[in-house]
Amino acid sequence: DIQMTQSPSSLSASVGDRVTITCRASEPIANYLAWFQQTPGKAPKSLIYAASSLQTGVPSNFSGSGSGTDFTLTISGLQPEDFAIYYCQQYNSYPFTFGGGTKVE
Amino acid sequence: QVQLIQSGAEVKKPGASVEVSCKASGYTFSGYYMHWLRQAPGQGFEWMGWIDCKSGFTNYGQKFQGRVTMTRDRSISTAYMELSGLTSDDTAVYYCAKTGDVYRPYEGPWGQGTLVTVSS
Repeated sequence: DIQMTQSPSSLSASVGDRVTITCRASEPIANYLAWFQQTPGKAPKSLIYAASSLQTGVPSNFSGSGSGTDFTLTISGLQPEDFAIYYCQQYNSYPFTFGGGTKVE
Repeated sequence: QVQLIQSGAEVKKPGASVEVSCKASGYTFSGYYMHWLRQAPGQGFEWMGWIDCKSGFTNYGQKFQGRVTMTRDRSISTAYMELSGLTSDDTAVYYCAKTGDVYRPYEGPWGQGTLVTVSS
C-alpha cells in the first residue's frame, strides 16, 4: 500500500495567515492526489483534485501543487471557517490511502 | 443537487453484522462507482471498497475480503454495505462517496456518515 505522510500533524495560525501543509507519498503517484477539509462531526469536503485543480465552489485562497511524491496545500489568507483538519489522499492505486491529517487551529 | 443520504446510526454486538445504505439523488446513479470508507474515532480514513453501480461488479480492500459485501439497487438508486463478524475495532463512522471511474477522485458531496458502534 502507498503510505501518505502529512506534516505537520497540527499547527497554530491566525486569521489572515498563510498556511502550508505538505504530503509525501511513499512511491510516485503522478498527480493523482486530492485534498479534503473536515470539520468536527461532518463529512469531508473535497478541495482539490489532480494535485492542483480546485473543486467547483472552493475559494481561490486554497491552492495545491506538486507531482510525483511531494505535494503541498497552501491556504493564503486564512479565514475563520478554514480552521479544520486537512487530509491528502492518493488515488493512483488501490487501496486508496489517506494522510494522517493536519489540524489547523 | 447531488446528495448521498445514509441510514442512521447502529449499535451492534460483537460477531453481528451491520448493513448501511446510501441513497443517491441528483445524478445518474448507474454512471458512477460508489466507494465505502470508514473513520474510527479520532482516526484517519480507511478505504473499504467500491461497487460499479451499473454492473454491480465489486472491488474490496484486502483487509475486508470475506467480511464485506457491497450491493446496489438501481431501481431506487441506493447502494448498500454489509460488514459481518463485527468487533470493537469496527466501531467507526462509515461513509459513501462516488467516483466517475476507477482511478478518479471523489466527486461531489460524501454521505453524511453513519456511526456504527460495536459493544457488548
